[in-house]
Amino acid sequence: DAKTTQPTSMDCAEGRAANLPCNHSTISGNEYVYWYRQIHSQGPQYIIHGLKNNETNEMASLIITEDRKSSTLILPHATLRDTAVYYCLSYSGAGSYQLTFGKGTKLSVIP
Amino acid sequence: AAGVIQSPRHLIKEKRETATLKCYPIPRHDTVYWYQQGPGQDPQFLISFYEKMQSDKGSIPDRFSAQQFSDYHSELNMSSLELGDSALYFCASSLGFGETQYFGPGTRLLVL
Repeated sequence: DAKTTQPTSMDCAEGRAANLPCNHSTISGNEYVYWYRQIHSQGPQYIIHGLKNNETNEMASLIITEDRKSSTLILPHATLRDTAVYYCLSYSGAGSYQLTFGKGTKLSVIP
Repeated sequence: AAGVIQSPRHLIKEKRETATLKCYPIPRHDTVYWYQQGPGQDPQFLISFYEKMQSDKGSIPDRFSAQQFSDYHSELNMSSLELGDSALYFCASSLGFGETQYFGPGTRLLVL
């Protein structure tokens, strides 16, 4: 799976949109971009994933650039409960079935 | 919606003891994955099972073994425990091999 790069930390004001970037310049054609988050030692929580097209669900939106070398996770109205470490992963589900977690971005939502 | 269940949630053991962690996947999920997260570290993949067969292996020590049973639940057996085994152990499950993984709440193991 491709290596991903994320900022170490970010702050976001409560009620504002949180935009979390991720670089995955070596991603291959069959690898999806996955986002998980981990709230203080709880189990990683699946957020969203996508291959080429932008995706939206009840939690977030995922914007993937046309060349697929980077993506942005958008939490439209951040709340204090969104404070967590956000992980951007590449995963093909073929050959190797392990999720490789990098350092992630520590998002702090500020009141 | 039903989630992954892990038991026990907390476990304290002495060095050289054994421990068994259990994972009950989301209903109808046939694939189980185990991850270890040490203090201040990111989750690391240990092992996975699909349809009761080992499907992938990561950095799992030889002292650890795991299996998946006919009802798809899985157990991680850990022997000769060391202080460094103190960690959070997460189980995840997916509906199908290589599909989206959903994590349980974890078991916190403390080895004294």
